[in-house]
Amino acid sequence: AQKVTQAQTEISVVEKEDVTLDCVYETRDTTYYLFWYKQPPSGELVFLIRRNSFDEQNEISGRYSWNFQKSTSSFNFTITASQVVDSAVYFCALSGGASGGYQKVTFGTGTKLQVIP
Amino acid sequence: EAEVAQSPRYKITEKSQAVAFWCDPISGHATLYWYRQILGQGPELLVQFQDESVVDDSQLPKDRFSAERLKGVDSTLKIQPAELGDSAMYLCASSLGRSSYNSPLHFGNGTRLTVT
Repeated sequence: AQKVTQAQTEISVVEKEDVTLDCVYETRDTTYYLFWYKQPPSGELVFLIRRNSFDEQNEISGRYSWNFQKSTSSFNFTITASQVVDSAVYFCALSGGASGGYQKVTFGTGTKLQVIP
Repeated sequence: EAEVAQSPRYKITEKSQAVAFWCDPISGHATLYWYRQILGQGPELLVQFQDESVVDDSQLPKDRFSAERLKGVDSTLKIQPAELGDSAMYLCASSLGRSSYNSPLHFGNGTRLTVT
């Protein structure tokens, strides 16, 4: 069974502050993938990043960075120098293989980020 | 970049009526997903297709919901009869993956359903 926990329901920060969104996952698979998606007020979920279970290197993309730690089953997302445009709901997701051989994706409950100007 | 098309964008219907949503995935994407998202919650999978076959409908309320993807391309999700508790955003997504699990999902804009 797969499970994704995003314990932070809502976070508010002042513009230019750094913010970290937490994601903890559970899976019995040895090979799996982790994703982050952004859902702005317009509603469409947008893919941000993907990591596989064998690659624990942290990744940085502009103001975004991701910290994957297999030992703690966590895949945290940090936004540096937050901007108002970062205001959205962010979802962490876990992808693994179902018994029928198809891709099974489980989403967390999301963290709503509000960046205050 | 190609997008997942969904229609309608908004739908208001009275309870006990029938309602249908349509989705056209990105060309070449084998897997199509229908999710329901209640306000303030994460997407919940209703049904997943691989090509024209249903691979997961374990969370689909089959007494009132049905889904089809006859030619393995576009898909329709139907609710009959609609209930007040069905009010939610219905999201369609597609991915390349068949046997690989690394395919990101590409989402449409969703259909916001309000049942009165």
